[in-house]
Amino acid sequence: DTGVSQDPRHKITKRGQNVTFRCDPISEHNRLYWYRQTLGQGPEFLTYFQNEAQLEKSRLLSDRFSAERPKGSFSTLEIQRTEQGDSAMYLCASSLITNRPNTEAFFGQGTRLTVV
Amino acid sequence: EDKVVQSPLSLVVHEGDTVTLNCSYEVTNFRSLLWYKQEKKAPTFLFMLTSSGIEKKSGRLSSILDKKELFSILNITATQTGDSAVYLCAGTLNRDDKIIFGKGTRLHILP
Repeated sequence: DTGVSQDPRHKITKRGQNVTFRCDPISEHNRLYWYRQTLGQGPEFLTYFQNEAQLEKSRLLSDRFSAERPKGSFSTLEIQRTEQGDSAMYLCASSLITNRPNTEAFFGQGTRLTVV
Repeated sequence: EDKVVQSPLSLVVHEGDTVTLNCSYEVTNFRSLLWYKQEKKAPTFLFMLTSSGIEKKSGRLSSILDKKELFSILNITATQTGDSAVYLCAGTLNRDDKIIFGKGTRLHILP
């Protein structure tokens, strides 16, 4: 399978614990996005990377959230001191950005986080 | 603030009906509009639209963009129960290709 891969698929954690999610994009893709989705809502933008550079982080994200893409390939999203409101599906997507407007992004299966 | 608004938020029709899903956007430096279908997990790509008035078609699904009115529609003809899903619309900014999603339209097809 050469699509976007996310790990783990499900995570249950106690409030106050730290969690880390991993995303492996499609191999030649230089752009990587993180989104959060709750029930009945569309994906909410969290952050995105061009290669290893983080371009923007949503103002909605507290300082408890951090993301990295150290070598421009896989990315990690860490949530520190989790709260119940962090329970959501965390989606990763990747795309190949060129000079042409072919910016469709391909999504992974997501990591469903439940904070108890 | 960049935003994408979809309507209706939910829709229930009978198998065989035709549906039209709406998407309006206010996106600075608009580059393209994307449609996705989301069933259980990951959204799957349907269409990318960059030019006004040019219909994109895939089987029973079609979509068109109106850049003057900042609007797109997704049509599904002869609906089937397998079309039941959330349909997501997203706008892409020309600056940095950031993608902004709407809340989606939840479509349920009754047999």
